[in-house]
Amino acid sequence: EPEVTQTPSHQVTQMGQEVILRCVPISNHLYFYWYRQILGQKVEFLVSFYNNEISEKSEIFDDQFSVERPDGSNFTLKIRSTKLEDSAMYFCASSPVGGETQYFGPGTRLLVL
Amino acid sequence: RKEVEQDPGPFNVPEGATVAFNCTYSNSASQSFFWYRQDCRKEPKLLMSVYSSGNEDGRFTAQLNRASQYISLLIRDSKLSDSATYLCVVTRGSGGGADGLTFGKGTHLIIQP
Repeated sequence: EPEVTQTPSHQVTQMGQEVILRCVPISNHLYFYWYRQILGQKVEFLVSFYNNEISEKSEIFDDQFSVERPDGSNFTLKIRSTKLEDSAMYFCASSPVGGETQYFGPGTRLLVL
Repeated sequence: RKEVEQDPGPFNVPEGATVAFNCTYSNSASQSFFWYRQDCRKEPKLLMSVYSSGNEDGRFTAQLNRASQYISLLIRDSKLSDSATYLCVVTRGSGGGADGLTFGKGTHLIIQP
């Protein structure tokens, strides 16, 4: 069964450093998403992406964040200058059709020191 | 602010029992509704979509009341493997195709042998 994959599984970084989280969505899916989950809290929407552009973003997704689909398979989330409060699990998701089931990757656990 | 409210539990239930959860959502523009389950430190996994007509998948039955903005999940003949956090999820209702998801904080279920 096809699945969303994410790398790395864990990342530790220093405050102020840039990080890039990578995702490979399911191959025939057209819609891509990033979510985060701070430890002990709910899953929160960050951004959605379709047709090579951002479709929607939440108030969390400020100028420190950017997304890119650099080639036909990868979907990346960049955090330009990490803060302590960016420490969280970051989930990538994809769906074949907008508004339908989103399939989540296993997540990248980011720790900012 | 568009929210999804759930009783966090935990619900401690003996194996074989029937257990019911519900949630309420505040965004009347939400168009699609889901139950996901999340195991500790793992990604959310789709349990089932929820329709106004009600739908059943094996031991699981979900129901949506759009007028009351209320979603329910019933688990019959509970198994030890049902122990997890159950997430009530609705679409953000942005009107775009790549509609993000709004998650509840989840209801923690523990099935006891």
